[in-house]
Amino acid sequence: GAVVSQHPSRVICKSGTSVKIECRSLDFQATTMFWYRQFPKKSLMLMATSNEGSKATYEQGVEKDKFLINHASLTLSTLTVTSAHPEDSSFYICSAWTPTDTQYFGPGTRLTVL
Amino acid sequence: RKEVEQDPGPFNVPEGATVAFNCTYSNSASQSFFWYRQDCRKEPKLLMSVYSSGNEDGRFTAQLNRASQYISLLIRDSKLSDSATYLCVVNPGTGYSTLTFGKGTMLLVSP
Repeated sequence: GAVVSQHPSRVICKSGTSVKIECRSLDFQATTMFWYRQFPKKSLMLMATSNEGSKATYEQGVEKDKFLINHASLTLSTLTVTSAHPEDSSFYICSAWTPTDTQYFGPGTRLTVL
Repeated sequence: RKEVEQDPGPFNVPEGATVAFNCTYSNSASQSFFWYRQDCRKEPKLLMSVYSSGNEDGRFTAQLNRASQYISLLIRDSKLSDSATYLCVVNPGTGYSTLTFGKGTMLLVSP
């Protein structure tokens, strides 16, 4: 069964709105979660590392004020895409390390900004 | 040199064929290694971890050569359902660090 969940699985929004994506670890605690983005036919790109109780670590070129990450509990990290624009349309995926030292991915959220 | 390099694809093979994927990594201090598969428009899913002693899971065999910094995945008797992109993934550090991904190799198995 799934060990990492994401919600929503798909979202369509108007340009300028904000969208929140949730990532949950199921049945285990994750002090660290990762957020990726994947454009069609491209590789996964790490956006940021989400750390429970502290600030996220963003990869170079990722705007922290645009992609807000909150890791308020040991099982939940959220990514908020603020003032979304069509170029933010992408497949957003989170992941977490499980206690068995493997990293599992959530099912992803497909964002379409009109 | 890229951190994790994989065979460029796609690989087109008939059902029943044996196919091998190769991967090299640049960081000799890398600690753990994985193969993931990713279906179109889906998330990556763990296929198997890779150990120095080599490991097998049904039709899939993974091998690691630390001296050569080389990882391989062999798929025997390929099925149509094996069609996917196969990602070579390396954990460059200890603990729960950020994974490094290869670009992936697409496999297309045809009837």
